[in-house]
This record gives sequence, structure tokens and C-alpha cells, in this order.
Amino acid sequence: DADVTQTPRNRITKTGKRIMLECSQTKGHDRMYWYRQDPGLGLRLIYYSFDVKDINKGEISDGYSVSRQAQAKFSLSLESAIPNQTALYFCATSDTGSTDTQYFGPGTRLTVL
Amino acid sequence: KQEVTQIPAALSVPEGENLVLNCSFTDSAIYNLQWFRQDPGKGLTSLLLIQSSQREQTSGRLNASLDKSSGRSTLYIAASQPGDSATYLCAVIRAGNNRKLIWGLGTSLAVNP
Repeated sequence: DADVTQTPRNRITKTGKRIMLECSQTKGHDRMYWYRQDPGLGLRLIYYSFDVKDINKGEISDGYSVSRQAQAKFSLSLESAIPNQTALYFCATSDTGSTDTQYFGPGTRLTVL
Repeated sequence: KQEVTQIPAALSVPEGENLVLNCSFTDSAIYNLQWFRQDPGKGLTSLLLIQSSQREQTSGRLNASLDKSSGRSTLYIAASQPGDSATYLCAVIRAGNNRKLIWGLGTSLAVNP
């Protein structure tokens, strides 16, 4: 079984709809991240959480919100989706250790029409 | 502001060739540098991580080097195989408490049989 899972893997929705992307991990890591990836722009950090009570904005948090329901779960919400939020979304985890290697989920391809 | 650049953006080589992917960064005050691999439809996989105090790391046919003073890292792939075809991403973590990754845009590698 994968250590970092994301649901759904693909989603097509319409402008104005509320969308939630979910991430779960079995690695026991305390840190979790949400990124989006766009052609020509690379990976950009949306939100990150260093533990259950810690939530931080990344580079591009406008239009997004997150919830860290438990150490193993970190969800990303788009309250009112718009077409320029069409992208590939990745969740990642890391441990508060010496290396900070990040482990990624398989990604969610979101299309907003 | 830390910026990460990867050259070339795309590379196509015949099977068996040794090749070098380049990554440059503008601020030498890094905590570590990581190389990732991304396959279509899949998440990112960490390949090698080099701590700021290290000069290189090796894993199988992969060797990554780090020269902080010049702001450069290279990923050397020996005896390339078609299975090496993927996008390779370089990312740095800035020194300090805010351990966020700064990403390059990647090099898309095609190894032809």
C-alpha cells in the first residue's frame, strides 16, 4: 500500500463549486504539505502544517483553505472553484528529522470548467 | 530571494549514454538540495538528498554533486536506460527554521532504445 494517498485522483467540476481534496499518510510524519503544479510554473506551495495545531500559508494560498484533522490527514478545500485553479495537486509529508526529505502522493488532477 | 534553474529543459539521448543534468541556485545559504523524479500520472520520488556540508551522494547509477560556492548541482546518470525517461526536478531548502522547498522547473529526459 502507498504511504501517501490522495483522493480523488481525478476530478472535473464547474466554476463556483466547493471541492475538497484529501490526503492521508501512514508514514507517521508530523509535517504535511499541499502543492500545485502548472506547466511552466513548476511546483508551488499552497499550505503546510508542521503538526496538528500548526497551519501556515505558502506562496499561493488565496482561494484555498486546509484542515489538519489528525496527524495522518490533511485536506485541501477550494471554497468556490475557478478555472485558473485547474492544475495537478500534490500532497507531501516529511519528518522533523535531519534530512527533511519529502514524500509525495500520486497527485490529483483537477479540472475546473 | 532563492531561485532554482534547471538546464536543459528537455533532453533526448540514445540508450547507454552517460548524461548530466544541471541545477543552479542563486543563494548559497541552503540547508540541503534534493533531486526528484516525476513519472507521468505519478507523484514525485526522491532520488538523492545532499546536505549542505556534503559534496556528493550516490545511489546506483545516479550521482549528485553539490558546489555551494558556485550555486550548482549536477545529477549524473550512468549508462542510461529507457526506464530512466522521466522529468527530473531539483529543489533546495533554505537554511533557517523555515524548511520549505524551492523548486526548479525540471528537465524532461527521454532515453531512446
